[in-house]
Amino acid sequence: NAGVTQTPKFQVLKTGQSMTLQCAQDMNHEYMSWYRQDPGMGLRLIHYSVGAGITDQGEVPNGYNVSRSTTEDFPLRLLSAAPSQTSVYFCASSYGGASGGYEQYFGPGTRLTVT
Amino acid sequence: KNEVEQSPQNLTAQEGEFITINCSYSVGISALHWLQQHPGGGIVSLFMLSSGKKKHGRLIATINIQEKHSSLHITASHPRDSAVYICAVRSWETSGSRLTFGEGTQLTVNP
Repeated sequence: NAGVTQTPKFQVLKTGQSMTLQCAQDMNHEYMSWYRQDPGMGLRLIHYSVGAGITDQGEVPNGYNVSRSTTEDFPLRLLSAAPSQTSVYFCASSYGGASGGYEQYFGPGTRLTVT
Repeated sequence: KNEVEQSPQNLTAQEGEFITINCSYSVGISALHWLQQHPGGGIVSLFMLSSGKKKHGRLIATINIQEKHSSLHITASHPRDSAVYICAVRSWETSGSRLTFGEGTQLTVNP
């Protein structure tokens, strides 16, 4: 299994440009999430999905869109990039179990710089 | 005040030392995760626990639900243990697989 894959690994955007960060998992996980990691702060949830066709907002959703048309893929779209979106982005997935605690699998991250 | 607080923020140890990283949280939880982030940036799950204690090799994680506190211990530390250790909780007040993360503890183990 490839686990959770993310592309690209690095990206530089100009203010106002749009782009899509790709995330895919091959573990048939129901739950997928996007986080951003900024210096001095913990990982913060942007958007998440509990299954194909179902998405919801996290803590910091403004400026980002998501969709979940398949179980495997969960792309994150930046609509009009701003310097405040300079960050490292992580995609994660987990399997929804009856116990309520789900081991998280993280992608390698995408380092985004907006100039 | 953050829902998840870790201490210390930074920790430097000599190889072979016993290390403890602490995590306190303020919400009701269904699970607590310990994660490791290496200098290259990748994040891996070390433990997921909702009660008691778990051990994996030289790593031990404990949780006290009543005191809302967890500890991660590393025995016989080694330079390859140098990483950021992150505590995250899944609150039973939220749906899905949403986690709240601490800021992380930067551990450096010197040879």
